[in-house]
Amino acid sequence: QITLKESGPTLVKPTQTLTLTCTFSGFSLSTSGVGVGWIRQPPGKALEWLALIYWDDDKRYSPSLKSRLTITKDTSKNQVVLTMTNMDPVDTATYYCAHSKWEVRAFDIWGQGTMVTVSS
Amino acid sequence: SYVLTQPPSVSVAPGQSARITCGGNNIGSKNVHWYQQKPGQAPVLVVYDDSDRPSGIPERFSGSNSGNTAALTISRVEAGDEADYYCQVWDSSSDHYVFGTGTKVTVL
Repeated sequence: QITLKESGPTLVKPTQTLTLTCTFSGFSLSTSGVGVGWIRQPPGKALEWLALIYWDDDKRYSPSLKSRLTITKDTSKNQVVLTMTNMDPVDTATYYCAHSKWEVRAFDIWGQGTMVTVSS
Repeated sequence: SYVLTQPPSVSVAPGQSARITCGGNNIGSKNVHWYQQKPGQAPVLVVYDDSDRPSGIPERFSGSNSGNTAALTISRVEAGDEADYYCQVWDSSSDHYVFGTGTKVTVL
């Protein structure tokens, strides 16, 4: 059974860097074809894809946020970390991590999400 | 960048069918995935690769994709189907993932 869970601060100040951790079980990020992505959703708004890391350490970023995002993995800990620099109130959102497969390119299993508020 | 457009809302009576569209340039050449999101919950994949259903998803959920429009059809709608629905594709030209604007389905 695949599960994912996001963790990190619930409140960050403008200009600070956000670090979120996705801890997962039921699969390995060293298995060929596996990926973990990050998606966010501002209150009352649509889903927005942020980044994805593949089993081979290949990484993809949303073009609109690429300069602010870094995604890394720690296969031994079953974790994926997303950092977002220069946080702004418009970045207030629920942040989800989700499992993906190379051959499907969908997000088949999602974490519960973590709400992050950006405010001074 | 690739854009996916959905109607903001769809209303349907119980027992009827709801059709949710997802428009994109030549979307028929891409694989479309659909998610259901109920209030306060994470999204759930209900259709992948245009028309396949993950294990546990009722047959009432079906998908199609051709030309510039993909669609998710919910047959015999139930009150529990009331939710937001999002389409999603992988844009191979940019190697990026894209979500649609979302559609709120209301069961009358």
